[in-house]
Amino acid sequence: DTGVSQDPRHKITKRGQNVTFRCDPISEHNRLYWYRQTLGQGPEFLTYFQNEAQLEKSRLLSDRFSAERPKGSFSTLEIQRTEQGDSAMYLCASQTGGDSPLHFGNGTRLTVT
Amino acid sequence: QKEVEQNSGPLSVPEGAIASLNCTYSDRVSQSFFWYRQYSGKSPELIMSIYSNGDKEDGRFTAQLNKASQYVSLLIRDSQPSDSATYLCAVNQAGTALIFGKGTTLSVSS
Repeated sequence: DTGVSQDPRHKITKRGQNVTFRCDPISEHNRLYWYRQTLGQGPEFLTYFQNEAQLEKSRLLSDRFSAERPKGSFSTLEIQRTEQGDSAMYLCASQTGGDSPLHFGNGTRLTVT
Repeated sequence: QKEVEQNSGPLSVPEGAIASLNCTYSDRVSQSFFWYRQYSGKSPELIMSIYSNGDKEDGRFTAQLNKASQYVSLLIRDSQPSDSATYLCAVNQAGTALIFGKGTTLSVSS
């Protein structure tokens, strides 16, 4: 169990640029989640996958956000035309399934200037 | 809209005291309940999970669940300065995304 790995740890970008984050879940976990967290708030759900299928996406999620998990292993989250309001910590978590706990990675901190 | 409510705090307790953290949730069919601890600048780490009514103890931590009242709490006995963190309550039904509260900040003074 090597834990959930996220890359990069930090990303600074200019408004309007596209960014992509990567998440490698715990190897035997078939569910993968993306959350966003801003200061003073709890993690906000963005989307989740079971294997390669994207099963749920937050209604609050802008269409500038897209996520993939092409082979049911790692996942990427892309934000197009970034805005200053996208600045946040982006957290990835994985789960074996059902009602088991989520295990979080260290997060990617995005700063949009 | 599923909601999880927590008092944001800060909750301040002296070292050695009992800290009591509370959480209410709106979705009556919620099945799984979790408490996560988050240190500043770090990601959430699981402390406790609870699935049925009653108490569940793990070391200095006790989780309490009352589904009729839609209420879950976390007690920390013999609080230590290292317990100072934000505590997140999270709730879900099987097969749906885990929904988090905003968290309660706990400060333990020595």
